[in-house]
Amino acid sequence: AQKVTQAQTEISVVEKEDVTLDCVYETRDTTYYLFWYKQPPSGELVFLIRRNSFDEQNEISGRYSWNFQKSTSSFNFTITASQVVDSAVYFCALSRRYSGSARQLTFGSGTQLTVLP
Amino acid sequence: DAGVTQSPTHLIKTRGQHVTLRCSPISGHKSVSWYQQVLGQGPQFIFQYYEKEERGRGNFPDRFSARQFPNYSSELNVNALLLGDSALYLCASSLASQETQYFGPGTRLLVL
Repeated sequence: AQKVTQAQTEISVVEKEDVTLDCVYETRDTTYYLFWYKQPPSGELVFLIRRNSFDEQNEISGRYSWNFQKSTSSFNFTITASQVVDSAVYFCALSRRYSGSARQLTFGSGTQLTVLP
Repeated sequence: DAGVTQSPTHLIKTRGQHVTLRCSPISGHKSVSWYQQVLGQGPQFIFQYYEKEERGRGNFPDRFSARQFPNYSSELNVNALLLGDSALYLCASSLASQETQYFGPGTRLLVL
């Protein structure tokens, strides 16, 4: 069975602070994908990043960075110099990757990030 | 390019009624997935369709059904609505069944 745990239910930071959102996953698959999605109050899930299970290189995109560590089954997300517009619920998700199968996403329960001005 | 679109945006039904939710994928995407998101939780997988065939089904009762049309749009049907069906229903599209899923704005269903 697959499981994604986001232990931080809510986080509040002051604008310009750095913040890290934690994600721990469980899977018996040897190949899989990990995702982060952002859900603003409007409700639409916005895709942020996808990582393959065999690619443990960290990634940076502007103020966003991701730290994937297979040894600890973690895929953490850091926002540098946070802004009020970053306020949203952030979801970590896990999916299987094998030929011929549907890509079923298993989501964590989400972390509500509030950035205060 | 237009993203995933869903209709209606909001819906109020009473217990026992039937509801149909609609989704149009991103142009060129052939796979559509449906998710249910109850307030305060992460989305739960319901169905995935690719090339008009069901490719995956989550742990939902038979009251939930879906289909995909030749233009790759999709409908989610829920029969005999229960109060617990109140949720945000999200549709996602992808190029193929194994590719990254892009989500629409969702349909908020309230069952009274």
